[in-house]
Parts: sequence; structure tokens; C-alpha cells
Amino acid sequence: EVQLVESGGGLVKPGSSLKLSCVASGFTFSSYGMHWIRQAPKKGLEWIALIYYDSSNKYYADSVKGRFTISRDNSKNTLYLEMNSLRSEDTAMYYCAKLTGSSGYWGQGVMVTVSS
Amino acid sequence: DVVMTQTPVSLSVSLGGQVSISCRSSQSLVHNNGNTYLSWYLQKPGQSPQLLIYKVSNRFSGISDRFSGSGSGTDFTLKISRVEPDDLGVYYCGQGTQYPPTFGGGTKLELK
Repeated sequence: EVQLVESGGGLVKPGSSLKLSCVASGFTFSSYGMHWIRQAPKKGLEWIALIYYDSSNKYYADSVKGRFTISRDNSKNTLYLEMNSLRSEDTAMYYCAKLTGSSGYWGQGVMVTVSS
Repeated sequence: DVVMTQTPVSLSVSLGGQVSISCRSSQSLVHNNGNTYLSWYLQKPGQSPQLLIYKVSNRFSGISDRFSGSGSGTDFTLKISRVEPDDLGVYYCGQGTQYPPTFGGGTKLELK
């Protein structure tokens, strides 16, 4: 059974940093690209980052480019999202997701609140 | 970016009834490889999204045949028949044909 478990969220002040983790199990983590997708309170889904299976390519939404960094450690089956210079508009539930052409799995999400 | 437009924003249905949700994309979702990467997700209250349909009309593992997807190019539809209480929540369409992946604004399915 595919499982994705996020952690690392919390309440932080504007301008600060936070690092999210997503531990994967139930599939060969090192063979798949992975995504981070977020959802602001009462809002829709916003894709924010993708990393290839071997970290050879990384892509970001314009809204987070230059502030967020996606990375992975295949030896630990873990996906990361390092978030710097956080803004109030980054307040959201953050999901890691394994999305392919024929499947889709999402973690339970981790809440990040940016507020003074 | 490909803009995904869902209609209606909300929908009321009686248990056992049938509903349709429309999703339109601002550009064709036909990939160079011939596939159309249009998916449908359901987000139940307090939960993360779950995949229902992939590549327009393929039901994901464990998904009831009460859910069906259709469409092509830029125009897609999700139909839900014999609606059950567990079907309630927000439905999203999403495209993976063009980078970056984008999602529709959602359709909230409620009981009448």
C-alpha cells in the first residue's frame, strides 16, 4: 500500500524558514518523480514543485521560485521542501504527491501557517 | 499555464440521483504521445484529494463504476450515478499534459 506521510509544518513568522518532509513507503521511491502541492484555507489546489526520480530536474511554480527548494534522499525514501522568506500567502496545507499518467497518491498533508 | 475551468461551482443532489461536472481547458490536453492526461479527484471533508479517474476515462483502483469520465481535447465531463453519502465533497479536474500541472477550481457536491 502506498503511503506518504508529511511532517514539519507549524506556525512561523513572515520572513522565516521551514523544512517539510514526506516519508514514502509501499513503492520504489527512487523510481518516481514526486510533487508538492498546496491548498490555502478554503481554496483550490496549487501545484508548487516537482523533482525527478534521480533529482536531475526540478521545477517550481512562479509563486515560490527562488524561495522554495525541493529535494529528496532516495536512501531514506524521503522528499523535502525547504521554504525560505515565508509570506502570509504561503499559509496552506502542503501535500506531497506521487502522480503519474495512470496513478495518483497524496499524503494526508501538513499545515503551514505564516503569521506575525 | 493551462487554465482549467470547472462548472458548476456547486451542485445539490438527492441520494440515488445522477450529476455531471464539466471541466474545460484553455488548451488542448492531447500530449505529443497521443495520451490525454486529464484526471478527476474527490476531496472529502477534512481529507486529502483521492484519484478517481485518470487519462479522461480510466477508473483508478477501487473506484466504483458509478463514476465515469468522458471527453476529448479541451472539453471533459465527470458523471456520477446513484449518488451515495460517501460521494459528497469537492471534485477537482487536473491536467498533467503540459507543465506546470494545473487544477480546476473545484465543484462542491452537496445533498439536496
